[in-house]
Amino acid sequence: SQTIHQWPATLVQPVGSPLSLECTVEGTSNPNLYWYRQAAGRGLQLLFYSVGIGQISSEVPQNLSASRPQDRQFILSSKKLLLSDSGFYLCAWTTRGGFSNQPQHFGDGTRLSIL
Amino acid sequence: GENVEQHPSTLSVQEGDSAVIKCTYSDSASNYFPWYKQELGKRPQLIIDIRSNVGEKKDQRIAVTLNKTAKHFSLHITETQPEDSAVYFCAASDKGGSEKLVFGKGTKLTVNP
Repeated sequence: SQTIHQWPATLVQPVGSPLSLECTVEGTSNPNLYWYRQAAGRGLQLLFYSVGIGQISSEVPQNLSASRPQDRQFILSSKKLLLSDSGFYLCAWTTRGGFSNQPQHFGDGTRLSIL
Repeated sequence: GENVEQHPSTLSVQEGDSAVIKCTYSDSASNYFPWYKQELGKRPQLIIDIRSNVGEKKDQRIAVTLNKTAKHFSLHITETQPEDSAVYFCAASDKGGSEKLVFGKGTKLTVNP
C-alpha cells in the first residue's frame, strides 16, 4: 500500500534562518505531489505542486521554493524564514489520473514555529 | 480559476442529530468533489468523494449529494457521534487536467453528548 512520510514533525526556527522540509511517498510511481500550508484555525493554502521530476508549479508568490529531485521526493525550502511562514505544512500525493481527478492523500504534516 | 464557498463555518449539534454542510463552486468544468475530515492537530483525511456523473453517494452514516446545475454539493452526517467532532473541508477539482483541488474554508463541527 502507499504511504507518505513527512519530517520533521515539529520545527522551531529563528527568523532569517533557512528551511528544508522533506516529503517522500512509497508504494506508487509518478505521483502528483503537493505542498499546502495551513495557518492556525484556517483552511488549506496550496503552495506548490509537481507532476514530475523537476516540474514545479508555484501557486502563491512568497519566499518559499520547492524542488522534486526524485520521483517520490518533494522538498520545501526557504533561504530566510519570515514570521509569517509559521504554520502547519502538509504534503499530499495523488495518483496521476489524466483527466480524471484522483483523491489527494496527506502526510502527517510539519508544525513550523518561527521565533 | 475555481472558487469554493463553504457554509456554515461552525456547526453544533446534539449527539444523534444530523449535520449538513454545504458547498458551492464556480467552475462548471469541475468534475471531482472530495470531503476531508481533520481532527485537531492531525492531517486531513478523505472521508467520501463524488464525481460529476453521480448525483449521490453514501457510505454508512455519511452521504454526499451533488447538484451540477446549481453547482453545489453537500455532506450529510446522520446519527452524529462525539467522535464526528472535527473540521470538515469540501473541495472541487480545478480546471480539467490540472489535478489540483480548491478547498473550502472549513466547517468546525461539534457534536455535544
